[in-house]
Amino acid sequence: TQLLEQSPQFLSIQEGENLTVYCNSSSVFSSLQWYRQEPGEGPVLLVTVVTGGEVKKLKRLTFQFGDARKDSSLHITAAQPGDTGLYLCAGASMYSGGGADGLTFGKGTHLIIQP
Amino acid sequence: KAGVTQTPRYLIKTRGQQVTLSCSPISGHRSVSWYQQTPGQGLQFLFEYFSETQRNKGNFPGRFSGRQFSNSRSEMNVSTLELGDSALYLCASSLAYNKNTEAFFGQGTRLTVV
Repeated sequence: TQLLEQSPQFLSIQEGENLTVYCNSSSVFSSLQWYRQEPGEGPVLLVTVVTGGEVKKLKRLTFQFGDARKDSSLHITAAQPGDTGLYLCAGASMYSGGGADGLTFGKGTHLIIQP
Repeated sequence: KAGVTQTPRYLIKTRGQQVTLSCSPISGHRSVSWYQQTPGQGLQFLFEYFSETQRNKGNFPGRFSGRQFSNSRSEMNVSTLELGDSALYLCASSLAYNKNTEAFFGQGTRLTVV
């Protein structure tokens, strides 16, 4: 069974601060996706990283895929209240058949940005 | 382009009843996956359909079943409901059957079993 551990579980910081959340596993993934979910809504895809060592930027968000494709991080610069939400990482298994099957989700990081 | 549509948004059922949830994927997407989300367990994979065939199934009892129609719309059914089935059920659609294909989620159906 593949597991994705996310840390921290909860994070509350002031507007303007920087933060990093982590997604770690002992398993290798063919790709890793990051989602943000707001209460009562479905997760919204932020980014997909595929290549080991890959770095992608989305405005103030920087995503990195570990060289060994077992871990990933999300760094937010100058956090804003609109960044508040549940951040989920999801790994696609190297060995599953395809599609969204075998997407393993971490339990998420609950992020609160206080004005 | 319309997103993933799940109906109903909210549902209250009694223990022992059965329930059917519906998911219409993004137009052109042929892969549909279902997930159960609870505060304690997070998002857990239920099953995935592509071209009307179940391609993979998560570790859930046989009370959970699903199907996909020729227009890619999908339904999932839960029979003999238990209190522990209360959760947000999410459907995700993908363009193709490929392990790196991005999944786009609907808003979910909030099921409460009383």
